[in-house]
Amino acid sequence: AQSVTQLGSHVSVSEGALVLLRCNYSSSVPPYLFWYVQYPNQGLQLLLKYTTGATLVKGINGFEAEFKKSETSFHLTKPSAHMSDAAEYFCAVTVGGNQFYFGTGTSLTVIP
Amino acid sequence: DAMVIQNPRYQVTQFGKPVTLSCSQTLNHNVMYWYQQKSSQAPKLLFHYYDKDFNNEADTPDNFQSRRPNTSFCFLDIRSPGLGDAAMYLCATSRESLGIYEQYFGPGTRLTVT
Repeated sequence: AQSVTQLGSHVSVSEGALVLLRCNYSSSVPPYLFWYVQYPNQGLQLLLKYTTGATLVKGINGFEAEFKKSETSFHLTKPSAHMSDAAEYFCAVTVGGNQFYFGTGTSLTVIP
Repeated sequence: DAMVIQNPRYQVTQFGKPVTLSCSQTLNHNVMYWYQQKSSQAPKLLFHYYDKDFNNEADTPDNFQSRRPNTSFCFLDIRSPGLGDAAMYLCATSRESLGIYEQYFGPGTRLTVT
């Protein structure tokens, strides 16, 4: 079975500081990994995804994530936080098929 | 723009009064999902349709039903809403691409039960 663990349910950073949101997964087969962002009272929007190929994946809004098989991780980063980045972030894993497994989410606060 | 649309965005219903939430899509995706998301929690899959085939999650209460009359529309029916059913309900769609079903989400319907 697959699962996702997001360390830190709440993360606060100063505006302009590095954003690091952690995601570790468990999968017995090669996974496909996703990061979604959710703004208040909105649906989930895809930030980026890893399927195959390059392990460093770039997404929208300046975010990127690196798939590290040896560490079973897919951490999300952004070099410089912006106020508009304040939102809930979800990591998800699938191994093909249409079953997604979501993490419990990380709420990002950006301090002016 | 192709998208997933949910109506209404906010729904208030009374305890025990049936309510229907709707989802439509212009993406022509063959898979549609309904998720329940409670405050500060991950989305929880209730069920999904693969084409016309209905797939219920084992722990989805019988109080929740769904209909998919055609490719574009899917409905979530809550037969007798309880206070614990107050949540955000998310519709998503996907289609297979290279073995992966990337999900596209609608904006959600926030359900309040009074």
